[in-house]
Amino acid sequence: DSGVTQTPKHLITATGQRVTLRCSPRSGDLSVYWYQQSLDQGLQFLIQYYNGEERAKGNILERFSAQQFPDLHSELNLSSLELGDSALYFCASSGSRLAGAHNEQFFGPGTRLTVL
Amino acid sequence: GNSVTQMEGPVTLSEEAFLTINCTYTATGYPSLFWYVQYPGEGLQLLLKATKADDKGSNKGFEATYRKETTSFHLEKGSVQVSDSAVYFCALSDRNTGTASKLTFGTGTRLQVTL
Repeated sequence: DSGVTQTPKHLITATGQRVTLRCSPRSGDLSVYWYQQSLDQGLQFLIQYYNGEERAKGNILERFSAQQFPDLHSELNLSSLELGDSALYFCASSGSRLAGAHNEQFFGPGTRLTVL
Repeated sequence: GNSVTQMEGPVTLSEEAFLTINCTYTATGYPSLFWYVQYPGEGLQLLLKATKADDKGSNKGFEATYRKETTSFHLEKGSVQVSDSAVYFCALSDRNTGTASKLTFGTGTRLQVTL
């Protein structure tokens, strides 16, 4: 168990809909990352938040957005969903204020999104 | 930009065989290198890491050495078990300046070990 939790585990929805994926980082971790894993694109970085602020952006579509709240949990919002958005979405955390800065990331179990 | 190239899979081995999964990278500066493992139906787990040239990461019988001269980080295990069957991802991260940075992953190599 990595200590990173993600809900829901599975999500099935229709095209055009909007969903929210939730992530709780390991206790003390300040950074949250979102990754998308799909068959055709592999594992791709979407976005990083550090202590509530956006820190880095990757291949994230404009239809997608994220935020990190004061309690450090994060949400990834996906809107106007398309069939091609079906994928496994992982959250990872790092940067424990207790252990000092380091670049090891711990992954949650993922949310499998199916768009029908 | 950064990139990671892994050998194509699947790799099928008999139990107790020797494993090598090749990984090479392209990066500016001096990245940290990682191997992650994904068991069926699960998330990614960090297997091992190396943060500077000539470092050797090791865990659970797996080893990989950070080779700056060949920009490689090949994963090896002397004797694989059926329980090692999984997908293995090589990844790199820019050297951090206070906070970790995003991981760039290879395409993953599926390993299947048979009795």
